[in-house]
Amino acid sequence: SQQGEEDPQALSIQEGENATMNCSYKTSINNLQWYRQNSGRGLVHLILIRSNEREKHSGRLRVTLDTSKKSSSLLITASRAADTASYFCATGLTSGGGADGLTFGKGTHLIIQP
Amino acid sequence: DVKVTQSSRYLVKRTGEKVFLECVQDMDHENMFWYRQDPGLGLRLIYFSYDVKMKEKGDIPEGYSVSREKKERFSLILESASTNQTSMYLCASMGGSNTGELFFGEGSRLTVL
Repeated sequence: SQQGEEDPQALSIQEGENATMNCSYKTSINNLQWYRQNSGRGLVHLILIRSNEREKHSGRLRVTLDTSKKSSSLLITASRAADTASYFCATGLTSGGGADGLTFGKGTHLIIQP
Repeated sequence: DVKVTQSSRYLVKRTGEKVFLECVQDMDHENMFWYRQDPGLGLRLIYFSYDVKMKEKGDIPEGYSVSREKKERFSLILESASTNQTSMYLCASMGGSNTGELFFGEGSRLTVL
């Protein structure tokens, strides 16, 4: 099955700075989603962008999608200590044929230094 | 508030034991999933179910089975636990379209000794 790959694997920035994470994938998708996971907890959905959309905003989050390059980016503006977490991209396939869910990347571990 | 509840946050079992991981969702979702998460490997899909009594293999079903007797409950079963099944297990549900948002439980960290 296809898989998104996040880049970088780890990112450490100062509080107040912007954080950018990237995701690349291999085949056509229906949508791409970003999730956050605090240490030892479950994943929480952040934002979904469909294949016919190029950019989406939600609060301090901005997601872009470039289907020609098969890539997406997640920008967190004005970072806070509470943003420290792992961030995963997940792709939903174009052809379903059944509820096979999403395929996740390995994540970017973001650390916000106070 | 939507909720996916996993029965145990932490379990310690011995090699060869039968292990049940329970997951319940209160959103009337058709689709439910079991993933395992390991450092450096990310999330991998074990099994999923799109309806009561239906089940489909994911990417790594070996050593696992599942049960979906009721719409709200999806159980993961390790018939004979092995040390390489030590992992974080995450249950999730999804309603409607199969490419919508996943709702996750808090996870069950299983250690097999």
